[in-house]
Amino acid sequence: RKEVEQDPGPFNVPEGATVAFNCTYSNSASQSFFWYRQDCRKEPKLLMSVYSSGNEDGRFTAQLNRASQYISLLIRDSKLSDSATYLCVVNGGTGNQFYFGTGTSLTVIP
Amino acid sequence: DAGVIQSPRHEVTEMGQEVTLRCKPISGHNSLFWYRQTMMRGLELLIYFNNNVPIDDSGMPEDRFSAKMPNASFSTLKIQPSEPRDSAVYFCASSLSGASPLHFGNGTRLTVT
Repeated sequence: RKEVEQDPGPFNVPEGATVAFNCTYSNSASQSFFWYRQDCRKEPKLLMSVYSSGNEDGRFTAQLNRASQYISLLIRDSKLSDSATYLCVVNGGTGNQFYFGTGTSLTVIP
Repeated sequence: DAGVIQSPRHEVTEMGQEVTLRCKPISGHNSLFWYRQTMMRGLELLIYFNNNVPIDDSGMPEDRFSAKMPNASFSTLKIQPSEPRDSAVYFCASSLSGASPLHFGNGTRLTVT
């Protein structure tokens, strides 16, 4: 079983739509959770960390459900510039090991 | 904060040649990671260091690959001899601690012909 499972999509949504991505992880001892954004031919960039209480940054909301072992990312009022691949990342509980999902491709259509 | 610095940005070489990729982590970060990304296999961890010591090199494909971190501010990934299947984007990333996020460099796009 993979450490992190993520729906690859693609998600094609119109501008202004709300879109949600989910990611499940297998290690219940995992400590840290992140969402990264990767544009074509660029490096992954940290979008936001995910905290147990959930956190929001503008149009982006991240949530963690430890009981069900999944994290989610909600994008409201999507913009053309949100088109990218979104990667969920989990830091394993036994050390400094990061596990990446395969990424979810998002295209926002005018 | 200059971020993680990688060089070169692009490398084109012929099969059989030696390739050396370089990375300068963010100052103060004690963990450094080398990843490889291709369309087919996605992002793969090759090796990571904690406090300059290699911790997990199980992702290194074969003996042709080697990585060093002689000090806290510099690491190299070497491929000798290179093969066409090594063509990929190689990312270096660093983090402050286990709970902190990774910060990636711009990557080195390697093409082996």
